[in-house]
Amino acid sequence: SQKIEQNSEALNIQEGKTATLTCNYTNYSPAYLQWYRQDPGRGPVFLLLIRENEKEKRKERLKVTFDTTLKQSLFHITASQPADSATYLCALETGGTSYGKLTFGQGTILTVHP
Amino acid sequence: GAVVSQHPSRVICKSGTSVKIECRSLDFQATTMFWYRQFPKKSLMLMATSNEGSKATYEQGVEKDKFLINHASLTLSTLTVTSAHPEDSSFYICSARASGTETQYFGPGTRLLVL
Repeated sequence: SQKIEQNSEALNIQEGKTATLTCNYTNYSPAYLQWYRQDPGRGPVFLLLIRENEKEKRKERLKVTFDTTLKQSLFHITASQPADSATYLCALETGGTSYGKLTFGQGTILTVHP
Repeated sequence: GAVVSQHPSRVICKSGTSVKIECRSLDFQATTMFWYRQFPKKSLMLMATSNEGSKATYEQGVEKDKFLINHASLTLSTLTVTSAHPEDSSFYICSARASGTETQYFGPGTRLLVL
């Protein structure tokens, strides 16, 4: 069966450290993988998209890697700040007849301590 | 980035009544909009895909007669929860995507509480 798993429900780190979140999937062939940030009571905010033929993407303090052999994406936040505390969601899109349909992981709650 | 709005942000209604939620793309034209539902401490689940000018396509297990979707223009989609019951209480979120682009932009969500 198809499954998307984010490695931990919660991650606690100290300010200034790098947060690394993991997204693993099985029985999918994603065309795109996206990462979103969600704050309590709010809709997700788009952060980064990486395509199946890309290995890495960066945006300011954020970095995403995508390994289609391992079926895994890693999401890094460098020099983390308390304001980075939120739930982070990975989402897959398989394209084709499922154009635009996103399947989400369950999310990782990141807490950055001062 | 692109902006998507939802209205209302929060609604409380009595069991048996219908509730309409609006989703608007404010600064781009959205040929496709999506409706998601999120229960507490759970992830987003896709309910339906709405294409401008055509009927919505629903995910398995989602009752199309209960969740009516209309996408009458390139900037507006509506979700109507008909004859709402307490189990329909949830956080409803829409997203919008412009034609030819890969990124979806999400609205702020609508919290529905059915008493």
